[in-house]
Amino acid sequence: KAGVTQTPRYLIKTRGQQVTLSCSPISGHRSVSWYQQTPGQGLQFLFEYFSETQRNKGNFPGRFSGRQFSNSRSEMNVSTLELGDSALYLCASSLAIAGVNNEQFFGPGTRLTVL
Amino acid sequence: AQSVTQLGSHVSVSEGALVLLRCNYSSSVPPYLFWYVQYPNQGLQLLLKYTTGATLVKGINGFEAEFKKSETSFHLTKPSAHMSDAAEYFCAVSDQGTGRRALTFGSGTRLQVQP
Repeated sequence: KAGVTQTPRYLIKTRGQQVTLSCSPISGHRSVSWYQQTPGQGLQFLFEYFSETQRNKGNFPGRFSGRQFSNSRSEMNVSTLELGDSALYLCASSLAIAGVNNEQFFGPGTRLTVL
Repeated sequence: AQSVTQLGSHVSVSEGALVLLRCNYSSSVPPYLFWYVQYPNQGLQLLLKYTTGATLVKGINGFEAEFKKSETSFHLTKPSAHMSDAAEYFCAVSDQGTGRRALTFGSGTRLQVQP
């Protein structure tokens, strides 16, 4: 079974631009979560989608948004990029919405560099 | 609110020595606890998890962890370190069974294995 895939793997943008990152979860998984990883702040939760609905949101500004499609694929968008948005963005998928089978399987990440 | 504290941002051991990575958590509800490993330029791989039941949890690659509620700890151990264990390790917590699967991560411990 294929794992979580994220595209692109690397991205370079300039301040003020916007960017869209894509995540395809493991087949059969309906939940997708996004995390930002930076050297200074570590791993921080962005948001979670299940059945095309945002179920949970972290403490990030409105420039960060996401969506989920009917096939469970998810995209996140960052508008008006700032230098501080440079990070590794990780996507994770999980099978269940609650309960013991809630472990999250992570993709390899998208490395975003903002110049 | 949940939080995770990992004592020691860097741990160095000799090959064949015991590995002990410390994790303490704070949670207002019974937690689910996880250990993830991250190799350079990769995403996170789940090592093991505690949800309910047996407090000594065995994971992949010979790692295990023990949930100690009285000490709010979930330390990761491996009896004999291997060079391939060199990586960054993250302890994480999520609410048990609330449907809110957002993971709160510790700041990570980088494990170095000396030959």
